[in-house]
Amino acid sequence: DIQMTQSPSTLSASVGDSVTITCRASQSVSPWLAWYQQKPGKAPRLLIYQASRLQSGVPSRFSGSGSGTEFTLTIGSLQPDDFATYYCHQYSAYSWTFGQGTKVEIK
Amino acid sequence: EVQLVESGGTLVQPGGSLRLSCAASGFLFRTHSMNWVRQAPGKGLEWISYISSDGTTIEYSDSVKGRFTISRDNGKNSLYLQTISLRVEDTAVYYCARGDCGGDCHIDNWGQGTLVTVSS
Repeated sequence: DIQMTQSPSTLSASVGDSVTITCRASQSVSPWLAWYQQKPGKAPRLLIYQASRLQSGVPSRFSGSGSGTEFTLTIGSLQPDDFATYYCHQYSAYSWTFGQGTKVEIK
Repeated sequence: EVQLVESGGTLVQPGGSLRLSCAASGFLFRTHSMNWVRQAPGKGLEWISYISSDGTTIEYSDSVKGRFTISRDNGKNSLYLQTISLRVEDTAVYYCARGDCGGDCHIDNWGQGTLVTVSS
């Protein structure tokens, strides 16, 4: 299986900060990489697919980049609603796998 | 509006079985692939199964292969997961998740999940 490793595991930031989360794959998954946001007790929400395509309805402060084995999710100016856990997800090959998650906390 | 509503989760003893269901509405169910993804309490997401729009292609994770069976009824707009030989480590919220296979095939919508607890 392709292993997905996110860093950091936890990120403390303030409203207005720009934050970046990194996801590394154990082999190339390009460009079949998605990012999801999950809040406690809620289902995940798709933010980015194909590494850099913004899902309809998602604010433009979210952006994705990368290729091959290294990908990033950037939140341009953190808003109160953005404090949540973020997961990367490869759908290049079965078994599909997720990163372990990055929790974005209020500093 | 896309709606996915899971049901069937409950407390079950180790070795037991359960059938989960997912009722879909707000979109043309028969044109979308579907998935089951689970999340153990306090843990991350784990994809466990995929079924193509017509049901002819099915995939499983190694953790559930041979114990879980995914199926769908396009006439009833429903997705199912039959589980047998349940283990304590199968305890999780089980999500039904829709595939968007336009340009690629990613998960774009999720249900709210149903909790399966495996315990004696």
